[in-house]
Amino acid sequence: ETGVTQTPRHLVMGMTNKKSLKCEQHLGHNAMYWYKQSAKKPLELMFVYSLEERVENNSVPSRFSPECPNSSHLFLHLHTLQPEDSALYLCASSQLRSSLDTQYFGPGTRLTVL
Amino acid sequence: GQQLNQSPQSMFIQEGEDVSMNCTSSSIFNTWLWYKQDPGEGPVLLIALYKAGELTSNGRLTAQFGITRKDSFLNISASIPSDVGIYFCAGQEETSGSRLTFGEGTQLTVNP
Repeated sequence: ETGVTQTPRHLVMGMTNKKSLKCEQHLGHNAMYWYKQSAKKPLELMFVYSLEERVENNSVPSRFSPECPNSSHLFLHLHTLQPEDSALYLCASSQLRSSLDTQYFGPGTRLTVL
Repeated sequence: GQQLNQSPQSMFIQEGEDVSMNCTSSSIFNTWLWYKQDPGEGPVLLIALYKAGELTSNGRLTAQFGITRKDSFLNISASIPSDVGIYFCAGQEETSGSRLTFGEGTQLTVNP
């Protein structure tokens, strides 16, 4: 299944680096999401974009900056991260219709902050 | 925010056995989804449920949307080694818009 792709799959960065995560969906969906998955914790929703507008930002630190240039692409720009930001970052997409929302996930980017 | 109670947290079973796991919530949900996640990969959607009482199968997997709209279960019949992974439930609250709430996952181990 290659409906939602993410690059890179693995990323190691220092605390002073700037990097970006990329997500692309090939499903024709109109909403995209960033989640953080840490060990032994439920998935944490970070950002939601609907029709390329950010509709939700769950108190995420400003060192994470999302960008959604069009309905198929989503980026997460990273700057001066902390070691506790190390996690699996998952992108998802869905076709929002009425009150139903089935999200499809990408394979994730495993981020390690040194 | 709302959290889903998913149980059990882990299961160790023999190949061929049936498995059952469930999720409960204190609030009403419009949607229940079940995902499986393999190590180092993203969750893969297994079954989606949209109506109270709905019973849906996907191969050896069967899931039901509880009548009260506050719970759901997933059954796996005749387990095989490749069923190993973490199974997550997720639900969309009646008033949550696009937000999905996730359970903490059930880690399934299948011994050959």
